[in-house]
Amino acid sequence: KQEVTQIPAALSVPEGENLVLNCSFTDSAIYNLQWFRQDPGKGLTSLLLIQSSQREQTSGRLNASLDKSSGRSTLYIAASQPGDSATYLCAVVSGSARQLTFGSGTQLTVLP
Amino acid sequence: GAVVSQHPSWVICKSGTSVKIECRSLDFQATTMFWYRQFPKQSLMLMATSNEGSKATYEQGVEKDKFLINHASLTLSTLTVTSAHPEDSSFYICSASGTSGRRDSYEQYFGPGTRLTVT
Repeated sequence: KQEVTQIPAALSVPEGENLVLNCSFTDSAIYNLQWFRQDPGKGLTSLLLIQSSQREQTSGRLNASLDKSSGRSTLYIAASQPGDSATYLCAVVSGSARQLTFGSGTQLTVLP
Repeated sequence: GAVVSQHPSWVICKSGTSVKIECRSLDFQATTMFWYRQFPKQSLMLMATSNEGSKATYEQGVEKDKFLINHASLTLSTLTVTSAHPEDSSFYICSASGTSGRRDSYEQYFGPGTRLTVT
């Protein structure tokens, strides 16, 4: 059974810092990996999707990398802003049913 | 593109009543829809997977008689919480996947969620 772990569970940084969020998964046979953002009481916003054949994706200040063989992904946020404060979720699609398995999330606070 | 809507966005009901939540794919055909629930400070847990025109597949520990899922068309799935109790209070989120042009059929597109409070 696929398991997804995110470290750290919470992170607080001053505005302007670059930061890295980590995600690991136990079964490397994935179809893709996604990073989501969730604001309190809200739904999910998809940030980046990396196909299993890709190694990274970039969107603005966000860069996500994927090392499928080692079961790891990182989300790099450059020049963090208070508006980046949210919970960031990592999820992988795997298995015959193409199920999405979520990590428990990293709660990010960027202090002005 | 790839918009998924949910209705209602929030609902309060009395214990013992039933509540129906709708999930619609607005601009693509959703061959598969997923229902998740999320408790405060926790991540999303998959409840069930439904394919259009067939019965839903429930995850272990999810009562299929309590959480009725119907996926009668390629754009609509409904989740009915029957005889709701306070412990059913949660955030319910649906997602949809399907094919539309070049869209990846395995990518899930998420609705905005429905906050259910059972008093």
